[in-house]
Amino acid sequence: GAVVSQHPSWVICKSGTSVKIECRSLDFQATTMFWYRQFPKQSLMLMATSNEGSKATYEQGVEKDKFLINHASLTLSTLTVTSAHPEDSSFYICSARAGLAANEQFFGPGTRLTVL
Amino acid sequence: GENVEQHPSTLSVQEGDSAVIKCTYSDSASNYFPWYKQELGKRPQLIIDIRSNVGEKKDQRIAVTLNKTAKHFSLHITETQPEDSAVYFCAASNAHQGAQKLVFGQGTRLTINP
Repeated sequence: GAVVSQHPSWVICKSGTSVKIECRSLDFQATTMFWYRQFPKQSLMLMATSNEGSKATYEQGVEKDKFLINHASLTLSTLTVTSAHPEDSSFYICSARAGLAANEQFFGPGTRLTVL
Repeated sequence: GENVEQHPSTLSVQEGDSAVIKCTYSDSASNYFPWYKQELGKRPQLIIDIRSNVGEKKDQRIAVTLNKTAKHFSLHITETQPEDSAVYFCAASNAHQGAQKLVFGQGTRLTINP
């Protein structure tokens, strides 16, 4: 159990375009989902926390107008990178937590974004 | 906010030897400490975690120790095997913060030499 999927697994886009990444909890309801960004040979950096039905909470330094997060249901959260630029190229990983009392986060397989 | 420091950044050990990775955290309210293994291009995989009400936890060749007073925790891998080669991340979170965000250490690249 506790499977999280992401789609797409990789995407290449032109500079200036927008890209949407989906994160789904397949066999549980995720009260909270997290979005991370990981640059090569670096750690996971939390971008934002999203709770179903409410606005996402962004970490300091993350532009909320550039990284749009929607958590429309208990099984789906989306991250849209708007007007992508080469510096946005990274590995984007989501995770989901089941229940307010749960500690463990279940990670998606990640999405490799390359902006040309 | 929480800050997690992880050492060493790289670690190379002979197959069969033990490997130890150490982390320190800054927020005394943190109470959940997971360790993740990440292979290149893959998702982080939880390998073991510990909560602040225990000092040590073991699962076969993997063990984690926690010293709340000193605010540090360590990962111990015994009888290392080539498939243990990966990047390992520690993390800390605070259950009293609403979202229980994980703050990750910088990572340790572990190489097991045959």
